[in-house]
Amino acid sequence: DADVTQTPRNRITKTGKRIMLECSQTKGHDRMYWYRQDPGLGLRLIYYSFDVKDINKGEISDGYSVSRQAQAKFSLSLESAIPNQTALYFCATTDRTETQYFGPGTRLLVL
Amino acid sequence: DAKTTQPPSMDCAEGRAANLPCNHSTISGNEYVYWYRQIHSQGPQYIIHGLKNNETNEMASLIITEDRKSSTLILPHATLRDTAVYYCIVLRYYGSSNTGKLIFGQGTTLQVKP
Repeated sequence: DADVTQTPRNRITKTGKRIMLECSQTKGHDRMYWYRQDPGLGLRLIYYSFDVKDINKGEISDGYSVSRQAQAKFSLSLESAIPNQTALYFCATTDRTETQYFGPGTRLLVL
Repeated sequence: DAKTTQPPSMDCAEGRAANLPCNHSTISGNEYVYWYRQIHSQGPQYIIHGLKNNETNEMASLIITEDRKSSTLILPHATLRDTAVYYCIVLRYYGSSNTGKLIFGQGTTLQVKP
């Protein structure tokens, strides 16, 4: 089984809808991250969490919110989706050597 | 964190060594060099990292110059499955308080050809 899983893997939604992307990890890491990737570009950090009581904004947090329900779970919400949030979203965890382990990604299309 | 410069693309023949360069001339003494790769829209995969000594693992070798201003990732026997975008990232390590915020640039697209 994969160490970092994301659901759903693909999602199509309409402008204005609220959606949630979920991430779970079995690696026992405290730190979790959400990134987005646009075509031809590198990953950009949305939010990160050092533990269940610690949430931090990344470089592009506007329009997003997160919830760290447990050490193993970190969810990303789009409160009111807009078309320019169409992207590939990755969740990741980090061990103490700062090595990041990424999930398979969620491909989101906002119409 | 220091900025990195990589060539946008490279080709390599299958079975040959792939040598991917990275310049990080503004790197500071407590910054590590990390390499990740991303195979066509999959999640990025960690390859290797180092501070100043050369490193080797089952995937690759990392050669860091003595002045630490550049490094080379070596895939000793490239296969078609190694075709991917390779990212060189410099990250300051603060220990338990580190943010671990990877800054991904454009990377190098490595095409391994039969």
